[in-house]
Amino acid sequence: GQSLEQPSEVTAVEGAIVQINCTYQTSGFYGLSWYQQHDGGAPTFLSYNALDGLEETGRFSSFLSRSDSYGYLLLQELQMKDSASYFCAVVPSGNTPLVFGKGTRLSVIA
Amino acid sequence: EPEVTQTPSHQVTQMGQEVILRCVPISNHLYFYWYRQILGQKVEFLVSFYNNEISEKSEIFDDQFSVERPDGSNFTLKIRSTKLEDSAMYFCASSASAGGNTIYFGEGSWLTVV
Repeated sequence: GQSLEQPSEVTAVEGAIVQINCTYQTSGFYGLSWYQQHDGGAPTFLSYNALDGLEETGRFSSFLSRSDSYGYLLLQELQMKDSASYFCAVVPSGNTPLVFGKGTRLSVIA
Repeated sequence: EPEVTQTPSHQVTQMGQEVILRCVPISNHLYFYWYRQILGQKVEFLVSFYNNEISEKSEIFDDQFSVERPDGSNFTLKIRSTKLEDSAMYFCASSASAGGNTIYFGEGSWLTVV
Protein backbone atom coordinates (compact mmCIF):
# COMPACT_ATOMS: atom_id res chain seq x y z
CA GLY A 1 0.00 0.00 0.00
CA GLN A 2 0.90 3.64 0.03
CA SER A 3 0.96 6.25 2.78
CA LEU A 4 1.96 9.88 2.59
CA GLU A 5 2.56 12.25 5.47
CA GLN A 6 2.42 16.02 5.27
CA PRO A 7 1.61 18.68 7.85
CA SER A 8 -2.07 19.46 8.16
CA GLU A 9 -1.69 23.24 8.44
CA VAL A 10 0.94 25.88 7.83
CA THR A 11 0.68 29.64 8.32
CA ALA A 12 3.11 32.10 6.76
CA VAL A 13 3.41 35.82 6.20
CA GLU A 14 2.92 37.49 2.85
CA GLY A 15 6.24 37.87 1.05
CA ALA A 16 7.90 35.09 3.03
CA ILE A 17 9.07 31.63 2.00
CA VAL A 18 7.34 28.45 3.12
CA GLN A 19 8.30 24.81 2.74
CA ILE A 20 5.74 22.01 2.82
CA ASN A 21 7.25 18.60 3.46
CA CYS A 22 6.01 15.22 2.33
CA THR A 23 7.27 11.80 3.32
CA TYR A 24 5.97 8.68 1.71
CA GLN A 25 5.96 4.93 2.08
CA THR A 26 4.92 3.11 -1.05
CA SER A 27 5.13 -0.34 -2.50
CA GLY A 28 6.28 1.21 -5.76
CA PHE A 29 7.50 4.66 -6.67
CA TYR A 30 7.67 6.38 -9.99
CA GLY A 31 7.53 10.03 -8.98
CA LEU A 32 6.07 12.69 -6.73
CA SER A 33 3.58 15.32 -7.83
CA TRP A 34 2.22 18.41 -6.13
CA TYR A 35 -1.25 19.84 -6.56
CA GLN A 36 -2.87 23.04 -5.35
CA GLN A 37 -6.53 23.22 -4.42
CA HIS A 38 -8.39 26.38 -3.51
CA ASP A 39 -11.54 26.02 -1.42
CA GLY A 40 -14.34 24.67 -3.58
CA GLY A 41 -12.06 24.25 -6.57
CA ALA A 42 -10.38 21.45 -8.43
CA PRO A 43 -6.83 20.23 -7.72
CA THR A 44 -4.47 21.83 -10.20
CA PHE A 45 -1.10 20.45 -11.14
CA LEU A 46 1.94 22.31 -9.84
CA SER A 47 4.98 20.11 -10.36
CA TYR A 48 6.33 16.61 -10.79
CA ASN A 49 9.65 15.11 -9.71
CA ALA A 50 10.79 11.76 -11.01
CA LEU A 51 14.48 12.29 -10.27
CA ASP A 52 16.30 13.54 -7.20
CA GLY A 53 16.83 17.24 -7.01
CA LEU A 54 15.07 20.53 -7.34
CA GLU A 55 12.59 21.53 -10.02
CA GLU A 56 11.81 25.23 -10.27
CA THR A 57 8.74 26.80 -11.83
CA GLY A 58 8.53 30.49 -11.11
CA ARG A 59 7.86 31.12 -7.43
CA PHE A 60 7.31 27.42 -6.78
CA SER A 61 9.99 24.76 -6.49
CA SER A 62 9.74 21.08 -5.67
CA PHE A 63 12.42 18.80 -4.35
CA LEU A 64 12.73 15.03 -4.22
CA SER A 65 15.07 12.67 -2.43
CA ARG A 66 14.25 9.11 -3.44
CA SER A 67 16.70 7.61 -0.97
CA ASP A 68 14.97 9.43 1.91
CA SER A 69 11.43 8.93 0.53
CA TYR A 70 10.99 12.64 1.02
CA GLY A 71 10.04 15.67 -0.95
CA TYR A 72 9.00 19.23 -0.40
CA LEU A 73 7.26 22.10 -2.09
CA LEU A 74 8.84 25.51 -1.67
CA LEU A 75 6.79 28.63 -2.20
CA GLN A 76 8.62 31.92 -2.41
CA GLU A 77 7.40 35.51 -2.26
CA LEU A 78 4.12 34.35 -0.81
CA GLN A 79 0.99 36.09 -1.96
CA MET A 80 -2.46 36.06 -0.38
CA LYS A 81 -3.75 34.09 -3.36
CA ASP A 82 -1.41 31.24 -2.41
CA SER A 83 -3.72 30.44 0.50
CA ALA A 84 -4.96 26.99 -0.46
CA SER A 85 -4.48 23.31 0.27
CA TYR A 86 -1.41 21.64 -1.17
CA PHE A 87 -1.34 17.93 -1.80
CA CYS A 88 1.62 15.72 -2.49
CA ALA A 89 0.77 12.70 -4.58
CA VAL A 90 2.74 9.60 -5.41
CA VAL A 91 2.81 7.95 -8.80
CA PRO A 92 3.31 4.34 -7.68
CA SER A 93 4.27 2.96 -11.08
CA GLY A 94 4.28 3.76 -14.74
CA ASN A 95 0.62 2.98 -15.18
CA THR A 96 -0.91 3.40 -11.74
CA PRO A 97 -3.02 6.41 -10.82
CA LEU A 98 -1.99 9.08 -8.35
CA VAL A 99 -2.33 8.47 -4.63
CA PHE A 100 -2.82 11.70 -2.71
CA GLY A 101 -1.68 12.74 0.73
CA LYS A 102 -4.13 14.36 3.13
CA GLY A 103 -3.09 17.85 2.15
CA THR A 104 -1.56 20.84 3.88
CA ARG A 105 -3.71 23.89 4.35
CA LEU A 106 -1.58 26.99 3.82
CA SER A 107 -2.81 30.27 5.22
CA VAL A 108 -0.98 33.40 4.08
CA ILE A 109 -1.43 36.34 6.43
CA ALA A 110 -0.60 40.00 6.01
CA GLU B 1 -6.64 26.04 -22.89
CA PRO B 2 -8.39 22.68 -23.04
CA GLU B 3 -10.14 21.62 -19.88
CA VAL B 4 -12.12 18.81 -18.33
CA THR B 5 -15.77 19.73 -17.95
CA GLN B 6 -18.24 18.14 -15.55
CA THR B 7 -21.97 18.25 -15.11
CA PRO B 8 -23.87 18.82 -12.95
CA SER B 9 -21.87 21.10 -10.69
CA HIS B 10 -24.16 20.27 -7.81
CA GLN B 11 -26.79 17.58 -7.37
CA VAL B 12 -29.02 16.79 -4.45
CA THR B 13 -30.57 13.34 -4.41
CA GLN B 14 -32.56 11.25 -2.01
CA MET B 15 -31.00 8.23 -0.38
CA GLY B 16 -31.52 5.14 -2.49
CA GLN B 17 -31.74 6.99 -5.77
CA GLU B 18 -29.36 6.57 -8.68
CA VAL B 19 -27.22 9.42 -9.95
CA ILE B 20 -25.14 9.83 -13.07
CA LEU B 21 -22.27 12.27 -13.11
CA ARG B 22 -20.99 13.32 -16.49
CA CYS B 23 -17.60 14.37 -17.70
CA VAL B 24 -16.03 15.46 -20.95
CA PRO B 25 -12.28 14.80 -20.74
CA ILE B 26 -9.70 16.74 -22.69
CA SER B 27 -10.10 15.64 -26.28
CA ASN B 28 -6.70 14.10 -27.00
CA HIS B 29 -6.37 12.38 -23.63
CA LEU B 30 -6.63 8.62 -23.41
CA TYR B 31 -6.72 7.96 -19.68
CA PHE B 32 -9.69 8.92 -17.58
CA TYR B 33 -10.24 8.91 -13.83
CA TRP B 34 -12.80 9.50 -11.16
CA TYR B 35 -11.70 10.75 -7.75
CA ARG B 36 -13.77 11.58 -4.70
CA GLN B 37 -13.23 14.12 -1.94
CA ILE B 38 -15.36 14.11 1.17
CA LEU B 39 -15.58 17.59 2.65
CA GLY B 40 -12.34 18.51 4.38
CA GLN B 41 -10.60 15.27 3.51
CA LYS B 42 -8.09 14.12 0.96
CA VAL B 43 -8.70 13.32 -2.66
CA GLU B 44 -9.38 9.59 -3.02
CA PHE B 45 -8.94 7.53 -6.16
CA LEU B 46 -12.00 5.64 -7.37
CA VAL B 47 -11.31 4.28 -10.82
CA SER B 48 -9.21 4.66 -13.94
CA PHE B 49 -10.34 3.89 -17.47
CA TYR B 50 -8.39 3.24 -20.62
CA ASN B 51 -9.21 1.73 -23.98
CA ASN B 52 -12.88 1.37 -23.06
CA GLU B 53 -12.31 -0.62 -19.94
CA ILE B 54 -11.48 -0.18 -16.29
CA SER B 55 -7.73 -0.38 -15.79
CA GLU B 56 -7.70 0.00 -12.02
CA LYS B 57 -10.17 0.58 -9.20
CA SER B 58 -9.96 1.19 -5.49
CA GLU B 59 -11.75 -0.52 -2.63
CA ILE B 60 -14.25 2.32 -2.62
CA PHE B 61 -15.34 1.45 -6.15
CA ASP B 62 -17.62 -1.46 -5.33
CA ASP B 63 -20.69 -2.80 -7.13
CA GLN B 64 -22.57 0.37 -6.31
CA PHE B 65 -20.44 2.23 -8.83
CA SER B 66 -19.98 1.89 -12.57
CA VAL B 67 -18.33 3.89 -15.32
CA GLU B 68 -19.05 4.14 -18.98
CA ARG B 69 -17.82 5.92 -22.05
CA PRO B 70 -21.04 5.95 -24.05
CA ASP B 71 -19.60 7.87 -26.98
CA GLY B 72 -16.35 9.43 -28.12
CA SER B 73 -16.46 12.35 -25.74
CA ASN B 74 -18.38 11.59 -22.55
CA PHE B 75 -17.24 9.64 -19.51
CA THR B 76 -19.83 8.91 -16.86
CA LEU B 77 -19.91 7.72 -13.26
CA LYS B 78 -23.10 6.02 -12.11
CA ILE B 79 -23.83 5.59 -8.44
CA ARG B 80 -26.67 3.21 -7.69
CA SER B 81 -28.75 3.24 -4.52
CA THR B 82 -26.99 6.26 -3.04
CA LYS B 83 -26.17 6.42 0.65
CA LEU B 84 -25.64 9.38 2.94
CA GLU B 85 -21.91 8.68 3.01
CA ASP B 86 -21.72 9.07 -0.76
CA SER B 87 -22.07 12.81 -0.25
CA ALA B 88 -18.82 14.24 -1.60
CA MET B 89 -17.22 16.16 -4.41
CA TYR B 90 -16.58 13.88 -7.37
CA PHE B 91 -13.76 14.90 -9.66
CA CYS B 92 -13.28 13.63 -13.15
CA ALA B 93 -9.76 13.81 -14.53
CA SER B 94 -7.85 12.90 -17.64
CA SER B 95 -4.27 12.52 -18.74
CA ALA B 96 -2.44 12.04 -21.99
CA SER B 97 -0.20 9.30 -20.69
CA ALA B 98 -0.33 6.39 -18.31
CA GLY B 99 0.91 6.84 -14.77
CA GLY B 100 -0.90 10.13 -14.57
CA ASN B 101 1.94 12.18 -13.19
CA THR B 102 0.15 15.11 -14.79
CA ILE B 103 -3.57 14.73 -14.37
CA TYR B 104 -6.01 17.47 -15.28
CA PHE B 105 -9.06 17.71 -13.06
CA GLY B 106 -12.50 19.03 -13.78
CA GLU B 107 -14.18 21.47 -11.42
CA GLY B 108 -16.06 18.65 -9.75
CA SER B 109 -19.65 17.60 -9.14
CA TRP B 110 -20.83 18.13 -5.62
CA LEU B 111 -23.22 15.35 -4.64
CA THR B 112 -25.44 15.74 -1.62
CA VAL B 113 -27.44 12.70 -0.53
CA VAL B 114 -30.33 13.48 1.81
